[in-house]
Amino acid sequence: QQKVQQSPESLSVPEGGMASLNCTSSDRNFQYFWWYRQHSGEGPKALMSIFSDGDKKEGRFTAHLNKASLHVSLHIRDSQPSDSALYFCAASEHDSGSWQLIFGSGTQLTVMP
Amino acid sequence: GPKVLQIPSHQIIDMGQMVTLNCDPVSNHLYFYWYKQILGQQMEFLVNFYNGKVMEKSKLFKDQFSVERPDGSYFTLKIQPTALEDSAVYFCASSSGLGYEQYFGPGTRLTVL
Repeated sequence: QQKVQQSPESLSVPEGGMASLNCTSSDRNFQYFWWYRQHSGEGPKALMSIFSDGDKKEGRFTAHLNKASLHVSLHIRDSQPSDSALYFCAASEHDSGSWQLIFGSGTQLTVMP
Repeated sequence: GPKVLQIPSHQIIDMGQMVTLNCDPVSNHLYFYWYKQILGQQMEFLVNFYNGKVMEKSKLFKDQFSVERPDGSYFTLKIQPTALEDSAVYFCASSSGLGYEQYFGPGTRLTVL
C-alpha cells in the first residue's frame, strides 16, 4: 500500500471555479506535508508546506491539515488555466531522522477557459 | 526564483553501459537529492547527500548507483552498469536545510535499451 494516497486522479474545473485536492497518509509517522505542482516538461515546484493542524492560506491556495486523520487537502479558489498541472502531495517524517519526501501519485488538474 | 539545472535533458544508452547524470543545484544550497519517476508513476526518493556524504538512501538506490559532488561542481548520479529497469526520469533537487523547500530541476529522461 502506498504511504501517501491522493484523490482524485484527475479533476476538471471551470475557470474561476474552486479546485479541491485530497491527500491521506497511511503512516502515522508522516506528519509533515508539502504540496508540489508540476507543469508538463518541468520539475515539481513547491506551492506550500503545512505542518500544523488547521488551515494555511497563501494567496488563492489554502491547505488544510488534520493530523488525527492524517488528511491534508489543497483548495484553489478562482482557478486559472495556468493552474492546469499535475499536483503532488508529499510527506516526510523528520522525527525518526528521515528527511526523504514520500510523494503521492498526483492529481491532474485541468482548468477549462 | 532559484533554479536547479540538469544535464543532459535526455540520454539514451545501451544496457550495461555507464551513465552519469549531472545536476547544477541552487548556489549556497547544502543538501542535494535524487528522485526517480517512471512514466505514469509517482516520484520516488533515491538518495540525499550533504557535506560529501550520503545521508539517507532508499531501497531503489542499488549498489550500481553512486553520487558525488567533487569540489562544489556538479552533483552527479552515476549508474554502472545500467539495466533496463533504470529507464525513468531522474530529478535532482537541492535545499538550504533539512526540512526546507526542495527545489527541483527539470529532470533527465534516461532510456536504457
